[in-house]
Amino acid sequence: GQQVMQIPQYQHVQEGEDFTTYCNSSTTLSNIQWYKQRPGGHPVFLIQLVKSGEVKKQKRLTFQFGEAKKNSSLHITATQTTDVGTYFCAGRTGNQFYFGTGTSLTVIP
Amino acid sequence: ETGVTQSPTHLIKTRGQQVTLRCSSQSGHNTVSWYQQALGQGPQFIFQYYREEENGRGNFPPRFSGLQFPNYSSELNVNALELDDSALYLCATPGQGPTGELFFGEGSRLTVL
Repeated sequence: GQQVMQIPQYQHVQEGEDFTTYCNSSTTLSNIQWYKQRPGGHPVFLIQLVKSGEVKKQKRLTFQFGEAKKNSSLHITATQTTDVGTYFCAGRTGNQFYFGTGTSLTVIP
Repeated sequence: ETGVTQSPTHLIKTRGQQVTLRCSSQSGHNTVSWYQQALGQGPQFIFQYYREEENGRGNFPPRFSGLQFPNYSSELNVNALELDDSALYLCATPGQGPTGELFFGEGSRLTVL
């Protein structure tokens, strides 16, 4: 069945360092969304990518959607302590979202 | 504040019992989906309701069932609880804009002993 994997599972960085999480789907996706979940919180929408090869930026965050629409990445430049949380990709097939396994980011001040 | 409200926030049950979780949306959106999030995992799609009918289901057994009411509030029912059902249960409604983003409630944390 549909699987969406993310790597790494955990990442510890010094404040100011960059961070990247990668998302891979076993099947082609119609679109992909990214969410952030703070410890003890619920997932909060960050962005949606629809087009093959699409790149979107939000301040220090850069999102990419692969040419084959089966993979995606989120890159954070110069991490801050406010970036702490777990980042999930969610690939859409039909009317279902398949969430990735998540990457938990810890930022060391 | 997502405008999606879930209750209860926490509850403890024992194996074999039944549980009902509730979800309502300020926007009164006609679509609601439910997710199970085990500790350290991503949300797993349980099912989706559109205008009171189930229109999508993930890989969950029939003891997971749901309802959507005319006011578009929703319930998730789980029968014959098992230890592995311990998780955060999230409901979500789509936003009104073109992005298709999901607005999640705070979740109901279920512990099965």
